[in-house]
Amino acid sequence: KNQVEQSPQSLIILEGKNCTLQCNYTVSPFSNLRWYKQDTGRGPVSLTIMTFSENTKSNGRYTATLDADTKQSSLHITASQLSDSASYICVVSPTGSTLTFGKGTMLLVSP
Amino acid sequence: EPEVTQTPSHQVTQMGQEVILRCVPISNHLYFYWYRQILGQKVEFLVSFYNNEISEKSEIFDDQFSVERPDGSNFTLKIRSTKLEDSAMYFCASSGFSGSRNEQFFGPGTRLTVL
Repeated sequence: KNQVEQSPQSLIILEGKNCTLQCNYTVSPFSNLRWYKQDTGRGPVSLTIMTFSENTKSNGRYTATLDADTKQSSLHITASQLSDSASYICVVSPTGSTLTFGKGTMLLVSP
Repeated sequence: EPEVTQTPSHQVTQMGQEVILRCVPISNHLYFYWYRQILGQKVEFLVSFYNNEISEKSEIFDDQFSVERPDGSNFTLKIRSTKLEDSAMYFCASSGFSGSRNEQFFGPGTRLTVL
């Protein structure tokens, strides 16, 4: 069964600090992996999209990595801001169009 | 910046009633999707739609569900006879391309509450 597991489930960090979120997946076949940010009560917003041939992708203070051999990905957030408080969701696409979502990591950035 | 819009933002209905959730995708997009998120759980794929046909659907998308693009701008999800377990946030998404780089843009969601 296609699964996407994320850790930690939740995380609290101080404003200005860095953090790294983890994602392991068993989705097969594999087309691409995405990281989304979801504010409470809102729709997910895409941060990065990586195919199996890409190892890293950056979007501002967000850097995603992908190891397709071990089926692991990480999202690194640098110099966190209060507005980074949200759920960060790892999403794997087996076909290129349908998406399999993880449960997300709830990040709280504290002043 | 173009965005996906959804109406209503919150829908309350009685069990057994029909509901229609409405979405206006980004205007030049060709691929449309519905997802749902039960409170506290992960987002789940329901259905994808292209060229006036369902492209893919999940096990969740049973005979109680249907989708339609009635007028070239709206994209609707109909639930014929709602059940308590249909209570969830329903997200519409659209994309301009298919395949490995299709970025899906999500709407703000409709919160459906079935009493």
